[in-house]
Amino acid sequence: QSVLTQPPSASGTPGQRVTISCSGSSSNIGNNYVYWYQQLPGTAPKLLIYRNNQRPSGVPDRFSVSKSGTSASLAISGLRSEDEADYYCAAWDDSLSGPVFGGGTKVTVL
Amino acid sequence: EVQLVESGGGLVKPGGSLRLSCAASGFTFTNAWMSWVRRAPGKGLEWVGRIKSKTDGGTTDYAAPVKGRFTISRDDSKNTLYLQMNSLKTEDTAVYYCTTGGGAKLDYWGQGTLVTVSS
Repeated sequence: QSVLTQPPSASGTPGQRVTISCSGSSSNIGNNYVYWYQQLPGTAPKLLIYRNNQRPSGVPDRFSVSKSGTSASLAISGLRSEDEADYYCAAWDDSLSGPVFGGGTKVTVL
Repeated sequence: EVQLVESGGGLVKPGGSLRLSCAASGFTFTNAWMSWVRRAPGKGLEWVGRIKSKTDGGTTDYAAPVKGRFTISRDDSKNTLYLQMNSLKTEDTAVYYCTTGGGAKLDYWGQGTLVTVSS
């Protein structure tokens, strides 16, 4: 069981907006930055969003995040076929003294 | 360009040992905090542990499931990170990734190396 809770799957048609939730607690999301990672099939994970809503160079602004209390969410607008991937949320956990991840959400473009 | 190349994975029996290596290039390895993260089959990502840069003390931290069995070390002269895994269990079967960073912000990842623990 992962410390952070994500839905196992999400889907949408090209051009749609898809949202992925990530639920935690006061020891992680509630008190620390949230990070999002994208893992395309057969590749290594890649940092997608950091410090709540910053994007590394090359990540399109179709990806955005929000955070409220002990939950966060990732939104993908204008869904494209190349967005098919597994998405993970992560945050530092003060109680465990280490980063914790969600179980991952598989996004399918229909 | 940052490159992280893991090696050393393979098949090992329960109770056995294995050492993974991660060759780093394209950044100043000496100043970098480094981590290992794994992904077991059908499961999500799990942080294994980290090592700080020597200037920040060079200390290590581990996740509870591997503490006392796994050891992270580094050789700054070779730009290489290591993960020594002892007393391996079937539940350690996973793809192991080397990453830059020591917290939840893991900027760069290697392609991973598969470790299979099975009799």
